[in-house]
Amino acid sequence: RKEVEQDPGPFNVPEGATVAFNCTYSNSASQSFFWYRQDCRKEPKLLMSVYSSGNEDGRFTAQLNRASQYISLLIRDSKLSDSATYLCVVNMRTGGFKTIFGAGTRLFVKA
Amino acid sequence: SAVISQKPSRDICQRGTSLTIQCQVDSQVTMMFWYRQQPGQSLTLIATANQGSEATYESGFVIDKFPISRPNLTFSTLTVSNMSPEDSSIYLCSVEEGLNNEQFFGPGTRLTVL
Repeated sequence: RKEVEQDPGPFNVPEGATVAFNCTYSNSASQSFFWYRQDCRKEPKLLMSVYSSGNEDGRFTAQLNRASQYISLLIRDSKLSDSATYLCVVNMRTGGFKTIFGAGTRLFVKA
Repeated sequence: SAVISQKPSRDICQRGTSLTIQCQVDSQVTMMFWYRQQPGQSLTLIATANQGSEATYESGFVIDKFPISRPNLTFSTLTVSNMSPEDSSIYLCSVEEGLNNEQFFGPGTRLTVL
């Protein structure tokens, strides 16, 4: 089983739609959680951290369920510019910190 | 967040040769990381570059193939040695910042081995 698993996608949605991505992690010692965005042929960029209480940044809402070892990202009112690959990322403490990247979920937002 | 640059941005190399990739950060950082991202795949950590000590390699990666230098707190190099077409990939360096150890990446080096 992979340490971080995501919906493979691709998700094809029209502009204005709401789309949700899911991610599960296997190691209960995981400490911190993130969503990254990666555009085609570019480096990953931090979209938002994910906190236990859930957090929102504009159209983006991230939630964490430690009991189920589950993370989600909700995008409301999708824009064409949201088209990208979304990576679920988990830091786990193994002496230091080890960062594990999910395989990513492709999102295509169409007009 | 730190500003990270990498050189070269891309290269096409012949098998059997070696390429050294440079990573420069605009601030001092304790640890720098080198990742590989093969086509259609997610990121795989190659090694952690520590200033003043040898790099720490992940399972499946060895120093002879991927020697790393870390001469100071703002710079690191990764060499891809004796390249084969299977080494064709994007190589990314990153640094950790923030209370939650968020990672920030350089723009990557796109390597094609013929």
